[in-house]
Amino acid sequence: GIQVEQSPPDLILQEGANSTLRCNFSDSVNNLQWFHQNPWGQLINLFYIPSGTKQNGRLSATTVATERYSLLYISSSQTTDSGVYFCAVRGYGQNFVFGPGTRLSVLP
Amino acid sequence: DTEVTQTPKHLVMGMTNKKSLKCEQHMGHRAMYWYKQKAKKPPELMFVYSYEKLSINESVPSRFSPECPNSSLLNLHLHALQPEDSALYLCASSPGLAGGPVTYEQYFGPGTRLTVT
Repeated sequence: GIQVEQSPPDLILQEGANSTLRCNFSDSVNNLQWFHQNPWGQLINLFYIPSGTKQNGRLSATTVATERYSLLYISSSQTTDSGVYFCAVRGYGQNFVFGPGTRLSVLP
Repeated sequence: DTEVTQTPKHLVMGMTNKKSLKCEQHMGHRAMYWYKQKAKKPPELMFVYSYEKLSINESVPSRFSPECPNSSLLNLHLHALQPEDSALYLCASSPGLAGGPVTYEQYFGPGTRLTVT
């Protein structure tokens, strides 16, 4: 099945800093989502982005499907951005697979 | 409304108990999913229902029994669980057909945190 890698595994930022999270996948995908899991376990949809670029406030994402990677940009980070960021992909005829996640801590 | 609800929020059960987890969505989605998430790990797919029919069972032990009474409801019946089954159980739904050529954005509920003693 499709393999998903995320980097970095852990990230510590000072409030106000910018960051880039990466998701690599091993095969063609027709679905890709970025999620933020808060400390209470809720998975919050950030982007549904199988290809192209999207922006939502301080967050933006780019997926280059032909090169099998996606990037999540967080600008002017806030303490409420802390948590785990997951990339989840679905290959053709396959089920959704989550990457291992990037654990982000934003310090005040 | 993009809400998926799950009850209960927390559940503690003994290994001989029978309990059920409930998931509900009113977005008209036709695919519903159960995931299991252990601490510090990503969610892992357990079951997928498409148009109220079980379409995917990811080799889950029979002590977990899913049920989809209608297009808005998804249950997970639990019986004779083991302590290693303690985890966060997440329900999700999506508009599209699970397993088809095109699926759509998944929306997750808040989860049920299960402890088996």
